[in-house]
Amino acid sequence: DAKTTQPNSMESNEEEPVHLPCNHSTISGTDYIHWYRQLPSQGPEYVIHGLTSNVNNRMASLAIAEDRKSSTLILHRATLRDAAVYYCILRYSGGSNYKLTFGKGTLLTVNP
Amino acid sequence: ETGVTQSPTHLIKTRGQQVTLRCSSQSGHNTVSWYQQALGQGPQFIFQYYREEENGRGNFPPRFSGLQFPNYSSELNVNALELDDSALYLCASSAPLAGGGDTQYFGPGTRLTVL
Repeated sequence: DAKTTQPNSMESNEEEPVHLPCNHSTISGTDYIHWYRQLPSQGPEYVIHGLTSNVNNRMASLAIAEDRKSSTLILHRATLRDAAVYYCILRYSGGSNYKLTFGKGTLLTVNP
Repeated sequence: ETGVTQSPTHLIKTRGQQVTLRCSSQSGHNTVSWYQQALGQGPQFIFQYYREEENGRGNFPPRFSGLQFPNYSSELNVNALELDDSALYLCASSAPLAGGGDTQYFGPGTRLTVL
């Protein structure tokens, strides 16, 4: 799996937008960009994924650079419940695509 | 819809012992993956089961083994426990995505402590 680079930590204030960056300069054309997050004392949970176009769902938005070498997870209004470790993961879309390769992720702190 | 459940929640064992961890997958999911998460690290893939067959394995020794049952629940067995096996063990069941790949739904994990 191609490698991703994320900041170790970020801080935000409650009800403000948060932009979590991810660099993936070696991404291939068949790699999807997935984001998972892990709340304290819980297993990871799926947030969003995309291939080329920007994506929105009820949890977040994913903005993908035109060259696909970077992406940004956007939380439009951070809440205290969004404090978690956020993982950016590349996944090959074909073949036996059976595992998630986690890095260390970004620890997001949300201040009240 | 019931999510992924794991048992037990916590477990304490001594070095050299054997342990079995259990996972019930989300309804309708026929694929289960197991991960090990050491403190302060991201989860590391152990192996995956699809319809009762192993479907890929990470860099873990053979003393880590697994089973998947006809109802798609799964077990992770670890023999000859070592101190470094102390970790959070996560189970995830998968739902396929249109266009390829899947979304994995994780359980809360089993915290294993080896003394």
